[in-house]
Amino acid sequence: GAVVSQHPSWVICKSGTSVKIECRSLDFQATTMFWYRQFPKQSLMLMATSNEGSKATYEQGVEKDKFLINHASLTLSTLTVTSAHPEDSSFYICSASQLAGGEAQYFGPGTRLTVL
Amino acid sequence: GENVEQHPSTLSVQEGDSAVIKCTYSDSASNYFPWYKQELGKGPQLIIDIRSNVGEKKDQRIAVTLNKTAKHFSLHITETQPEDSAVYFCAASGTGGGADGLTFGKGTHLIIQP
Repeated sequence: GAVVSQHPSWVICKSGTSVKIECRSLDFQATTMFWYRQFPKQSLMLMATSNEGSKATYEQGVEKDKFLINHASLTLSTLTVTSAHPEDSSFYICSASQLAGGEAQYFGPGTRLTVL
Repeated sequence: GENVEQHPSTLSVQEGDSAVIKCTYSDSASNYFPWYKQELGKGPQLIIDIRSNVGEKKDQRIAVTLNKTAKHFSLHITETQPEDSAVYFCAASGTGGGADGLTFGKGTHLIIQP
């Protein structure tokens, strides 16, 4: 139980293009989904908190117009990196917490984004 | 905001020995403390968690202790095995109920020597 998937697992794009990453909770409904970014050999940094049907809450320093988050249903959240630049290259990981399931967050396998 | 410190950054132990990783947090309002194991190129896997109303929790070879007064918590792995080699992260969050994002420590690279 508590499986979270991400698609794609890796993507390479050209500078200036946009990339969409999907996060799905496969066997549970997620009240809240979170997006994190992880640079090589570093820790995970929270980017934004996403609740189904409402606008995402972004952490300080994260540009909401650059990282568009849509939480369309209780099982799907998407992160779109707009006008990507090489410095956006990173490992993007989502997590989800269960509806009425307490604080535990279950993470997806991550998406490796490389911007050329 | 919350700040989580984690030590050591690298820990090498002989197979079969115990490993201990320690974390401290700054926000006394934090009340949920999970531990994650991350293997190279993969997402973090929740291995154990503890809430502030509990001082200790154990699951087979893994245990976590929490000292709210001192604001620190620790992960204990006994009878270590090669497959325990990975990066371990501690984390903390506030109000709970699944609504808060996690603040992570910087991670500990655990190496199990055969």
